[in-house]
Amino acid sequence: AQSVTQLDSHVSVSEGTPVLLRCNYSSSYSPSLFWYVQHPNKGLQLLLKYTSAATLVKGINGFEAEFKKSETSFHLTKPSAHMSDAAEYFCVVSDSGGDYKLSFGAGTTVTVRA
Amino acid sequence: GAVVSQHPSWVICKSGTSVKIECRSLDFQATTMFWYRQFPKQSLMLMATSNEGSKATYEQGVEKDKFLINHASLTLSTLTVTSAHPEDSSFYICSAHDRGTYGYTFGSGTRLTVV
Repeated sequence: AQSVTQLDSHVSVSEGTPVLLRCNYSSSYSPSLFWYVQHPNKGLQLLLKYTSAATLVKGINGFEAEFKKSETSFHLTKPSAHMSDAAEYFCVVSDSGGDYKLSFGAGTTVTVRA
Repeated sequence: GAVVSQHPSWVICKSGTSVKIECRSLDFQATTMFWYRQFPKQSLMLMATSNEGSKATYEQGVEKDKFLINHASLTLSTLTVTSAHPEDSSFYICSAHDRGTYGYTFGSGTRLTVV
């Protein structure tokens, strides 16, 4: 079984300041972990993914995430927020159990203050 | 990169009619297609999983006779909402899985409104 917990339902930051979105996971197998971003009434765009290679994963638009097995965490960070980063973010896990299903976190809404 | 084209992006239909939503993988083979439903301000809820040439597997609580899924080829999957009712109004999103790259590519979503 696999599941994801996003620890913050809403994060508000000022433009130019760091962003931290927290995610904890559970998985029976070696997990693959993803962060997706969704703008209103749009599909999901992949920011980055971890698939058992380097534990520090760099993604698009300056985002990165670190896989910490001991803490079962996969937190997403960005050093400097832009107004365009305001969106919904989902942490997602897929284990290697064979059915390739994804389990989604509840989502974190990011607002960016000017 | 991989692209999944989902159509229509929005549709309004009358109660009792059927609506078909199409997802095409444009430059890769989608061995598995997932269909999700998303209510406002909520996460994605998996409705069903379909593998090319096989019957779809539905999640518990999803009516398979109401939400018909066809995955006849490696590049095309369709979801038909039959006899739609206002409670079926939602945002529907497909996701294609490419086992070769272990990638998941999402469609842009379909906003269905049943009146």
